[in-house]
Amino acid sequence: DTEVTQTPKHLVMGMTNKKSLKCEQHMGHRAMYWYKQKAKKPPELMFVYSYEKLSINESVPSRFSPECPNSSLLNLHLHALQPEDSALYLCASSQEPGGPGELFFGEGSRLTVL
Amino acid sequence: GENVEQHPSTLSVQEGDSAVIKCTYSDSASNYFPWYKQELGKGPQLIIDIRSNVGEKKDQRIAVTLNKTAKHFSLHITETQPEDSAVYFCAACYNNNDMRFGAGTRLTVKP
Repeated sequence: DTEVTQTPKHLVMGMTNKKSLKCEQHMGHRAMYWYKQKAKKPPELMFVYSYEKLSINESVPSRFSPECPNSSLLNLHLHALQPEDSALYLCASSQEPGGPGELFFGEGSRLTVL
Repeated sequence: GENVEQHPSTLSVQEGDSAVIKCTYSDSASNYFPWYKQELGKGPQLIIDIRSNVGEKKDQRIAVTLNKTAKHFSLHITETQPEDSAVYFCAACYNNNDMRFGAGTRLTVKP
């Protein structure tokens, strides 16, 4: 069982909806990540939080808005998405920011934008 | 930035045979090379990693080799089993913030 929990597992939303993806880890890790994975492609980094502060934003459109309420939680707020944003969104954590070291991935939230 | 190439994109082997997946990287500053296995409907999971001060690492049926001069590293799976069937990603980085994944290899182990 993964120690990084993501909810919901599946989400279908229209282009005008506002929704959120949630991620939780209780391993005491101080770095958390959002990745986007399209079908048959590798994960692509979107955001990095180090010690609950946003440290990396890989030029992601503003319709994606991350939030880190505390050291265990990571949210990704979605608004006015496009059909091409349909993908598997993976949350990951690592023990220390920078590392390098193992990334612990959740099982992902599969998003479909209609 | 780092660029990682991975080959082959698909690999089919008979149960019990060996499987080899190869990756090359571009940034000589990269010093950490993990391999992740992603099963259908799941997130990637680390299976083995190697750091640049080591040339080879083995964990039971899985081994990884690293050639820093040539900037390539390989995953070797021996005595393959059907449960090894999955997509395998190599990656390279100097720190986790710049980790770049290869395109992936879909391994099928036929019983």
